[in-house]
Amino acid sequence: RKEVEQDPGPFNVPEGATVAFNCTYSNSASQSFFWYRQDCRKEPKLLMSVYSSGNEDGRFTAQLNRASQYISLLIRDSKLSDSATYLCVVNSFGGGKLIFGQGTELSVKP
Amino acid sequence: GAVVSQHPSRVICKSGTSVKIECRSLDFQATTMFWYRQFPKQSLMLMATSNEGSKATYEQGVEKDKFLINHASLTLSTLTVTSAHPEDSSFYICSAVKQGGNEQFFGPGTRLTVL
Repeated sequence: RKEVEQDPGPFNVPEGATVAFNCTYSNSASQSFFWYRQDCRKEPKLLMSVYSSGNEDGRFTAQLNRASQYISLLIRDSKLSDSATYLCVVNSFGGGKLIFGQGTELSVKP
Repeated sequence: GAVVSQHPSRVICKSGTSVKIECRSLDFQATTMFWYRQFPKQSLMLMATSNEGSKATYEQGVEKDKFLINHASLTLSTLTVTSAHPEDSSFYICSAVKQGGNEQFFGPGTRLTVL
């Protein structure tokens, strides 16, 4: 079993749609959780950290459920510029080591 | 800011040659840098953790004699792929952590193609 698993994509949605990404992690001792965005042939960029209480940043909402080891990302009113691969990332072992999910590709169409 | 650069951005080499990739933190000092590899349609996989002034810590399955890492200063880490083969063709990405911080700032990556 992979340490971090995500929905297999791709997701193809029209502009304005709401889209949700799911992620599960296997190490119950994991400490920190993130969503990154990666554009084609570019480096990943931090989108947002994920906190137990849930957090929102504009159109983006992240949720964490430690009991079920589940992380989600909700994008509302999707824009063409949201098209990218979204990576679920977990810091499982401390010391800064990040474990990346395989990513879910999102394509927003006009 | 927290800018990390990599050089070169793209390299094509013949099988059997060695390739050196540089990772620099431009506006901060980084005690720790990480090296990742990403194959097409796959996730980033951590190769090694590089600490300034000490030996790198390699992940399971990564050959330390093939992927030489040097972190000689607080702003520079290098990854040398020795005797590269076509299966080493990949996207190599570094990240750096500010002194006292824990967020990783990623470099733009180096695309290696071994013919």
